[in-house]
Amino acid sequence: QSALTQPASVSGSPGQSITISCTGTSSDVGGYNYVSWYQQHPDKAPKLIIYDVSNRPSGISNRFSGSKSGHTASLTISGLQAEDEADYYCTSYATSTAVVFGGGTKLTVL
Amino acid sequence: EVQVVESGGGLVKPGGSLRLSCAVSGFSLISHTMHWVRQAPGKGLECVSYITSSSNYIYYADSVKGRFTISRDNAKNSLYLQIDSLRAEDTAIYYCPRDLTAAAYDSWGQGTLVTVSS
Repeated sequence: QSALTQPASVSGSPGQSITISCTGTSSDVGGYNYVSWYQQHPDKAPKLIIYDVSNRPSGISNRFSGSKSGHTASLTISGLQAEDEADYYCTSYATSTAVVFGGGTKLTVL
Repeated sequence: EVQVVESGGGLVKPGGSLRLSCAVSGFSLISHTMHWVRQAPGKGLECVSYITSSSNYIYYADSVKGRFTISRDNAKNSLYLQIDSLRAEDTAIYYCPRDLTAAAYDSWGQGTLVTVSS
């Protein structure tokens, strides 16, 4: 069982917006503004798309945005495109283990 | 250009050992905490170990404590993971990403596959 809870799957049509949630506790998501999100295509390494809750690394599309409320962080992808179909993972700094991951969410673009 | 290249994986019998290496270029290893993150086939990501830039703090996940040893050679811009007493559940791709901020890994290699099987 992963430390952070993500939905197993989400789906959306091209052009739509989707949101993936990542729920933790006061010892991780709720306690620190160190939440990151990764995109992973099949047989590829993960790619950082959001860090420190809502910052985008250079080169990441502004269609990707992050936010946090209480113990839950969220990744929103707007203007969904076929190439967004991938697995998405959240991570957070945590008091006890320094880094905890979510179980991952499979995004299907219909 | 920042590059991270993992190597040293392979097929090993239960109870065996391997030494994974991670060579970096395009940045100075001494400036970053470095991590080993693994991904079992079809599964999610797990941070198994990390070492701070000055090596003054080392973390191991409970699942590998006492069997894995992380080290770094800043002069060679290299990170290592000695893995002993291997178990079937250690089968995974092992990555050594660089940290950007806490829990944010901005540079990943292609990973190295460790397969533990008799």
